[in-house]
Amino acid sequence: AQTVTQSQPEMSVQEAETVTLSCTYDTSENNYYLFWYKQPPSRQMILVIRQEAYKQQNATENRFSVNFQKAAKSFSLKISDSQLGDTAMYFCAFMIHQAGTALIFGKGTTLSVSS
Amino acid sequence: NAGVTQTPKFRILKIGQSMTLQCAQDMNHNYMYWYRQDPGMGLKLIYYSVGAGITDKGEVPNGYNVSRSTTEDFPLRLELAAPSQTSVYFCASSYELYGYTFGSGTRLTVV
Repeated sequence: AQTVTQSQPEMSVQEAETVTLSCTYDTSENNYYLFWYKQPPSRQMILVIRQEAYKQQNATENRFSVNFQKAAKSFSLKISDSQLGDTAMYFCAFMIHQAGTALIFGKGTTLSVSS
Repeated sequence: NAGVTQTPKFRILKIGQSMTLQCAQDMNHNYMYWYRQDPGMGLKLIYYSVGAGITDKGEVPNGYNVSRSTTEDFPLRLELAAPSQTSVYFCASSYELYGYTFGSGTRLTVV
């Protein structure tokens, strides 16, 4: 069975600073996808970034980037130039490479960005 | 706007009552899912469907039922509501291996 672990329940950062959220996972599969989702107070689930396991290059989306270490089964999210709007719960999620399979989520990290 | 629509957004139920949470998507996605989100616990899969007429249990199916008579709709039925079913419920859909589209959630309180 696959598991996703987020070891940081809460984190805080000041505007314009950089913060890294940690995620580790466990799987025996070789082909899979990893995701970071953002959930602001509005409760909406928003896809932040996605990484295919077969790609060695780390995914980036504007101020968001990941450090994907396949051998270590680690998938951290780096947020650069933090903004007040980044305040949210962040979930790491895993999905094996098979259509229709469900996302498996970590417990989340609450990020607070202050001015 | 295209997406996943969940109704209602909020609901208070008494213990023992029943209700149906509605979920509809207009993106012609084959795959649909129901999750529940409890504080500090992330999202856990209740049921999922890979197409009309096909459903299967997820991690926490007890106390729930689903049906998928059309591609668009995937209602979640709660029979004999219990306090343990107090949660936020999310419906989602996906196309093949692309990312999910989530609904805005239903906050359910059982008292």
